[in-house]
Amino acid sequence: DSGVTQTPKHLITATGQRVTLRCSPRSGDLSVYWYQQSLDQGLQFLIQYYNGEERAKGNILERFSAQQFPDLHSELNLSSLELGDSALYFCASSTAGTTYNEQFFGPGTRLTVL
Amino acid sequence: AQKITQTQPGMFVQEKEAVTLDCTYDTSDPSYGLFWYKQPSSGEMIFLIYQGSYDQQNATEGRYSLNFQKARKSANLVISASQLGDSAMYFCAMSQNTGFQKLVFGTGTRLLVSP
Repeated sequence: DSGVTQTPKHLITATGQRVTLRCSPRSGDLSVYWYQQSLDQGLQFLIQYYNGEERAKGNILERFSAQQFPDLHSELNLSSLELGDSALYFCASSTAGTTYNEQFFGPGTRLTVL
Repeated sequence: AQKITQTQPGMFVQEKEAVTLDCTYDTSDPSYGLFWYKQPSSGEMIFLIYQGSYDQQNATEGRYSLNFQKARKSANLVISASQLGDSAMYFCAMSQNTGFQKLVFGTGTRLLVSP
């Protein structure tokens, strides 16, 4: 158990819908990262937050948005869903002040868009 | 831009034997970190080992060791004494060491350990 929690574990929805994925980082971790794992794109970095502020953006679609709240949990919002958004979405967290950013991954949320 | 290449889509090894999973990388950053993660069929990503670009010695963590050859830009994972539970996808990844940066992943290698 990495200490990172993600809910829900599975999500099935229809095209055009909007969903919210939730992540709680390990106790004490200030950085949260979101990744998408799909069959055609592999594992891709989406976005990073550090202590409530956006730090870095990757290949995140405009239909997707995220935020990190004062209690450090994060939410990834996916809207106008398409079939191609079906993927495993990971949240990871890392500790501030370490010499390297070993990231601990949550169990992931498997999103299926029908 | 950083890039990770894993050229072995699949590897087979017999139980108790050692296996090497290949990883090459490309970056213009002078300081970077290299990571290996294991993803069993259940889907979670498990951190295995880390190597910093300025580390003089190869990293080791139990049965895992990282064969770091900086001039060749390679960071191969060696698993000694393979176990059935080692069957999984293995991902090589890298990041900059300058703060809290994203991980760039390779395409992965599926390892199958046979009895």
